[in-house]
Amino acid sequence: DTGVSQNPRHKITKRGQNVTFRCDPISEHNRLYWYRQTLGQGPEFLTYFQNEAQLEKSRLLSDRFSAERPKGSFSTLEIQRTEQGDSAMYLCASSLAGNFGNTIYFGEGSWLTVV
Amino acid sequence: GIQVEQSPPDLILQEGANSTLRCNFSDSVNNLQWFHQNPWGQLINLFYIPSGTKQNGRLSATTVATERYSLLYISSSQTTDSGVYFCASGRGSYIPTFGRGTSLIVHP
Repeated sequence: DTGVSQNPRHKITKRGQNVTFRCDPISEHNRLYWYRQTLGQGPEFLTYFQNEAQLEKSRLLSDRFSAERPKGSFSTLEIQRTEQGDSAMYLCASSLAGNFGNTIYFGEGSWLTVV
Repeated sequence: GIQVEQSPPDLILQEGANSTLRCNFSDSVNNLQWFHQNPWGQLINLFYIPSGTKQNGRLSATTVATERYSLLYISSSQTTDSGVYFCASGRGSYIPTFGRGTSLIVHP
């Protein structure tokens, strides 16, 4: 079990550019989550997938944000026309939903700095 | 949605001391986890504990679901315990809602 993998780990981009983060969940986990965390705050929910279906999106996920999980395996989170307020750590997590306890495991996060 | 409150917000200990962290949640939940966020930002799962008591080494946790709180106990704290501890809870199809965390500093 290799754990949840995220890349890139760090990204510095200029305001207005697009960025994409990738998440590879724990193999066979059917749920995948994206969260955002800013300094001094707890992680905030953005969206989650069950298999390839995006089942819920937070109001935080503006129309500049899009997430996909095309084959129910890895996922991408794209931010278009980045703004300085998008600077944060983006966290991916996965779980095996069912009667197994629903434990959620997080990756190491992708730090985004918009300058 | 569910509100999660954690206390205390900050905690400073000497190595070897014991501590108790508290998590209150606003509604009945059937999922609850404790995490430790290390200085590099990774969230490490400590316990999945929607009810009852669990122990893992120097750490233990108790959730009293009927009274809507959970406690995390750290005994004989070490400097490596430093970091931020988060409680996250949810119900139904589990979308964890996080508290603001307890920041723990353990001095040698």
